[in-house]
Amino acid sequence: DQQVKQNSPSLSVQEGRISILNCDYTNSMFDYFLWYKKYPAEGPTFLISISSIKDKNEDGRFTVFLNKSAKHLSLHIVPSQPGDSAVYFCAARWGLYGNKLVFGAGTILRVKS
Amino acid sequence: GAGVSQSPSNKVTEKGKDVELRCDPISGHTALYWYRQRLGQGLEFLIYFQGNSAPDKSGLPSDRFSAERTGESVSTLTIQRTQQEDSAVYLCASSSRLADFSGANVLTFGAGSRLTVL
Repeated sequence: DQQVKQNSPSLSVQEGRISILNCDYTNSMFDYFLWYKKYPAEGPTFLISISSIKDKNEDGRFTVFLNKSAKHLSLHIVPSQPGDSAVYFCAARWGLYGNKLVFGAGTILRVKS
Repeated sequence: GAGVSQSPSNKVTEKGKDVELRCDPISGHTALYWYRQRLGQGLEFLIYFQGNSAPDKSGLPSDRFSAERTGESVSTLTIQRTQQEDSAVYLCASSSRLADFSGANVLTFGAGSRLTVL
């Protein structure tokens, strides 16, 4: 039962262009959505989050958009840089007080210079 | 320490042996999580500890898996009679209660323990 889905296993983008990573979810009870980035041989690191009551959150080059009616969120990276090449995981939280996060399978982003 | 520390970083074992994986969370973080990532797959929740509350073990795949945590300190994940399908990177994460109240459950992950069962 995959409640969080990242349907694109990989994405390749030219340096300086926009990277768009997509995520779909099925559980309308999720109250927070997060993006994590993972480099090889390292643990995932938190990138950006959005509350379910918002539709956009921006932090520098990173913007997350949430479309609740479509149960879809996306991460935009503008401009993309070679150092952004990593695996990006979408995650969702259900409940209060530190309940577990449900993760998608990840999307490998390659930014070509 | 400054981050979440996991050991061993790599473990190769024979099918049927028991293994123990250790996690040292960030000091002061009340919540501790174990996830695993099998090759080509996403992060799969295993177990969650929050302070002295009963752990959420809903993600443990079988009774061969168990985990312990004493108070708000080190946790040990034990896999008994390992099988080849147990091969994965086992990731530990911790978070502070303050993060919970802010709404965004920001987990800080360790680098993981790569387990290979031959």
